[in-house]
Amino acid sequence: DIQMTQSPSSLSASVGDRVTITCQASQDISNYLNWYQQKPGKAPKLLIYDASNLETGVPSRFSGSGSGTDFAFTISSLQPEDIATYYCQQYDNLPITFGGGTKVEIK
Amino acid sequence: QVQLVESGGGLVKPGGSLRLSCAASGFTFSDYYMSWIRQAPGRGLEWVSYISSSSSYTIYADSVKGRFTISRDNAKKSLYLQMNSLRAEDTAVYYCARDFGCSSTTCYIPKWFDPWGQGTLVTVSS
Repeated sequence: DIQMTQSPSSLSASVGDRVTITCQASQDISNYLNWYQQKPGKAPKLLIYDASNLETGVPSRFSGSGSGTDFAFTISSLQPEDIATYYCQQYDNLPITFGGGTKVEIK
Repeated sequence: QVQLVESGGGLVKPGGSLRLSCAASGFTFSDYYMSWIRQAPGRGLEWVSYISSSSSYTIYADSVKGRFTISRDNAKKSLYLQMNSLRAEDTAVYYCARDFGCSSTTCYIPKWFDPWGQGTLVTVSS
């Protein structure tokens, strides 16, 4: 199975800060990497697909980059409504796997 | 609007069975591949199973293979997960999700999930 390692596992930042989360795959997954946001008590929501494509309706402060084994997810200016846990997910090979999640909190 | 609503969760004893349902609305259900994904309490996400739009292709995570069966009824716009021989480690919130990344007639691997249902909690305990 492809292991997806996210870091950090949690972070605390101020409103307006730039926040970056990384996701490393245990093998080359090209750009087959997606990012989801899960708010407390809610279902995950797709934000980014194919590493860097913003899903329709998602604010432009969210962005993704990377290919191969190393990926990054960035919130350019953290907003209070961005408090959530963020997950990466690969679909290069079965079984599809998710990263362990990064919990983002407001300082 | 596009919506998925799960039902059927509950408390079941180890070794027992449960059938989850997912009702779809707001889109042409028969056009899309679908998945079940679960999340143990306080834990991360684990993909469980995947079914093609015509039901001709199904795949499972090793952790549930031989115990769980995914199915669908396109006329009823519904997805199902039959869970047998349940174990404590199957305790989780179970989500159904549409594979929005499958744009061809044949997909062999789930791509990206959008939307997800609100989830239904399955608790396996004596």
